Amino acid sequence: DAGVIQSPRHEVTEMGQEVTLRCKPISGHNSLFWYRQTMMRGLELLIYFNNNVPIDDSGMPEDRFSAKMPNASFSTLKIQPSEPRDSAVYFCASRSGHYGYTFGSGTRLTVV
Amino acid sequence: QQPVQSPQAVILREGEDAVINCSSSKALYSVHWYRQKHGEAPVFLMILLKGGEQKGHEKISASFNEKKQQSSLYLTASQLSYSGTYFCGTDTGGGNKLTFGTGTQLKVEL
Repeated sequence: DAGVIQSPRHEVTEMGQEVTLRCKPISGHNSLFWYRQTMMRGLELLIYFNNNVPIDDSGMPEDRFSAKMPNASFSTLKIQPSEPRDSAVYFCASRSGHYGYTFGSGTRLTVV
Repeated sequence: QQPVQSPQAVILREGEDAVINCSSSKALYSVHWYRQKHGEAPVFLMILLKGGEQKGHEKISASFNEKKQQSSLYLTASQLSYSGTYFCGTDTGGGNKLTFGTGTQLKVEL
């Protein structure tokens, strides 16, 4: 199994531009999570899906952030417009049942 | 609310033992433990469920005190490969959502 696959690994963009992060969960995992990690705030849950349905998006900072999961094998996190304070490492993770999370390698986003 | 971990950082000599604590202000359904090395993703170590027993392998184990809303991770006879940041993740709603702790940086030296 290739694990959770995220792309791109690194993204540098200018303030105001749209950014799209992508995630492919492990096949058979029915839950998918988007986390953001910064030195100041640690690992923060942004949104999670069960069976492709968004369950809790209370961690999404504001309307500039949106996430979709059109099918069981793909999810996107979009930021429009991006701001310098969005700079962070964004992790996608998936889970099956009551087992642990498997994290992707992350996307390091820098907004200048 | 984010669980609190202690200590924030610890330095060990190879072969020494360490304990990392995780404390929640809310009742816990389960606790996860993860290790993250610099520049990498967190890696799952173990999960402790409400009503479950202490879990672990020979040298890394954990306990879960439901009444005190706490969990502890025990690292025995530490190895260089144990270096990294350890996070606890707490489930306070009985669902899928984890809130991660503040992290404990552990460094093992020769």
